[in-house]
Amino acid sequence: EPEVTQTPSHQVTQMGQEVILRCVPISNHLYFYWYRQILGQKVEFLVSFYNNEISEKSEIFDDQFSVERPDGSNFTLKIRSTKLEDSAMYFCASNPGGRAGDTQYFGPGTRLTVL
Amino acid sequence: AQSVSQHNHHVILSEAASLELGCNYSYGGTVNLFWYVQYPGQHLQLLLKYFSGDPLVKGIKGFEAEFIKSKFSFNLRKPSVQWSDTAEYFCAVNARGNKLVFGAGTILRVKS
Repeated sequence: EPEVTQTPSHQVTQMGQEVILRCVPISNHLYFYWYRQILGQKVEFLVSFYNNEISEKSEIFDDQFSVERPDGSNFTLKIRSTKLEDSAMYFCASNPGGRAGDTQYFGPGTRLTVL
Repeated sequence: AQSVSQHNHHVILSEAASLELGCNYSYGGTVNLFWYVQYPGQHLQLLLKYFSGDPLVKGIKGFEAEFIKSKFSFNLRKPSVQWSDTAEYFCAVNARGNKLVFGAGTILRVKS
């Protein structure tokens, strides 16, 4: 069964550094998402992406965040200047049609630790 | 704003016990409701979902959930749990747009 994959599984970085988290969505899916979960807190929506554009973003997704689909398979989340509070598990998800009620398929997550 | 409440953060059961995990949401319009499960070391997987029709939804591994619109609830049930059901369970709602709004999660430990 096809799966969403994410790399790296764990990223450690210094405060102020840029990080890029990578995701490979399921190949025939058209809608892509990033969520994050700070330790002990809820899984929170960050951004959704369709047709090479952001379709929705949360207030968390400020100017330090950006997303990109640089080729036909990867979907990336860039954090320009990391802060301590960006430490979290970041999940990528995808679904084929993006309709409300469509199942979103999640990757295993990248644990980001900002020191 | 949409929100989801899960009533219990930690649940410990013995094998063969019955399970019910509570989930309430706040949103007055049409909703789609989901239960996801995360087994230790694995990614979030869909257990079941409701988007229309029969409010009693059956999912994988013997799980079911009932949507009660008047109570804004979508409780997850399983008549007899197994040790392999040890996991974290997340309720989520999708009302406007595509984003999922998650509850805080319930960690279930099943003692063998």
